Amino acid sequence: GENVEQHPSTLSVQEGDSAVIKCTYSDSASNYFPWYKQELGKRPQLIIDIRSNVGEKKDQRIAVTLNKTAKHFSLHITETQPEDSAVYFCAAKEPHNNNDMRFGAGTRLTVKP
Amino acid sequence: DADVTQTPRNRITKTGKRIMLECSQTKGHDRMYWYRQDPGLGLRLIYYSFDVKDINKGEISDGYSVSRQAQAKFSLSLESAIPNQTALYFCATSDRGVVYGYTFGSGTRLTVV
Repeated sequence: GENVEQHPSTLSVQEGDSAVIKCTYSDSASNYFPWYKQELGKRPQLIIDIRSNVGEKKDQRIAVTLNKTAKHFSLHITETQPEDSAVYFCAAKEPHNNNDMRFGAGTRLTVKP
Repeated sequence: DADVTQTPRNRITKTGKRIMLECSQTKGHDRMYWYRQDPGLGLRLIYYSFDVKDINKGEISDGYSVSRQAQAKFSLSLESAIPNQTALYFCATSDRGVVYGYTFGSGTRLTVV
């Protein structure tokens, strides 16, 4: 089955700096890659996603890039703000496997004011 | 989102007790999932269901059982709770045939003493 690895496990940046979180996946057939943000004590919420027919997607300060050849995808947050502090999860979906999504272990991002 | 509701929010139970966690949704989604979240391990799939009476094991189903008696409800049971089942449990839903991310419930924090 699919295996998703996420790095780093913790990331600390100064407010205004950029943050990058990287994930790799094992199944070349995976075709959907969402990112979730989980604030302290709250549920994970979808913040951006990308499909395998697209190399990059941007939504305001966040962007996701996908390299299908290398089987990795990344989350980029620019001009970070303290409210970006949270745990971020990547995931990969296999189209032929009914158990759907596999998640990375998460990255705890801290943005220092 | 109030559209995926989990009860209880918090629960402390004793080793060996049977406990049920409930999930209900108003999104009209066919697919429902139970995940377990542990620090450093991300979200791991316990069971999932694609329709009423459809039940499928996930990565870590041992020690758990589920019931899907109605489209809107998916319950998770621990027949005989043990301390290493202490975790944060999330229910999630998704729509059949649509490649969207999941909508998560608010979570149940379970402590087994």
